[in-house]
Amino acid sequence: AQKITQTQPGMFVQEKEAVTLDCTYDTSDQSYGLFWYKQPSSGEMIFLIYQGSYDEQNATEGRYSLNFQKARKSANLVISASQLGDSAMYFCAMREGTGGFKTIFGAGTRLFVKA
Amino acid sequence: EADIYQTPRYLVIGTGKKITLECSQTMGHDKMYWYQQDPGMELHLIHYSYGVNSTEKGDLSSESTVSRIRTEHFPLTLESARPSHTSQYLCASYSNPPGQGTLNYGYTFGSGTRLTVV
Repeated sequence: AQKITQTQPGMFVQEKEAVTLDCTYDTSDQSYGLFWYKQPSSGEMIFLIYQGSYDEQNATEGRYSLNFQKARKSANLVISASQLGDSAMYFCAMREGTGGFKTIFGAGTRLFVKA
Repeated sequence: EADIYQTPRYLVIGTGKKITLECSQTMGHDKMYWYQQDPGMELHLIHYSYGVNSTEKGDLSSESTVSRIRTEHFPLTLESARPSHTSQYLCASYSNPPGQGTLNYGYTFGSGTRLTVV
């Protein structure tokens, strides 16, 4: 069965520094997609970045990059040059190729950016 | 500007009442989802739909029901609200263009409905 594990309940980072949020996953599928979402205190969920299981290069979107290590089944999110507005919950998620169109989410990591 | 709308944003209701949480999207997405999320916790899938007249139960057992009579509309109904239903309910949708894979499109989420049953 598919599973997402985020082992860091909370993280602190100094403004302008980089931070890595960990995510490991478990699936028996060869084809799957990995996602990161941001949830500010207002509650809405914002899609940040996507990585496909067959993608050879790590995905990047502005200050966000995904460190994809397929053999280790990890998909860590790296935020460069942290900003105060990055303070939020971050969720790692996965959609399997053969499991229909469902996406499962990890427990999330709360990021605090310090001025 | 949101393309997926949830109403109400907040709802406080008494035990035993019937309620319907509304979700509408203007993007023409065929796949729609309801997730339940307690504050600061992970999201649990309770219902989803692949298209009109298609609905499925998710991984989390739920006493709610859904319908999908129109592409843009995916309401969630609780026949008899209980305090255990107190949570945030998030609606999401996505669609993959014809000929494109189903994996590489992120959800668009609504703003959520925060439900309190007293």
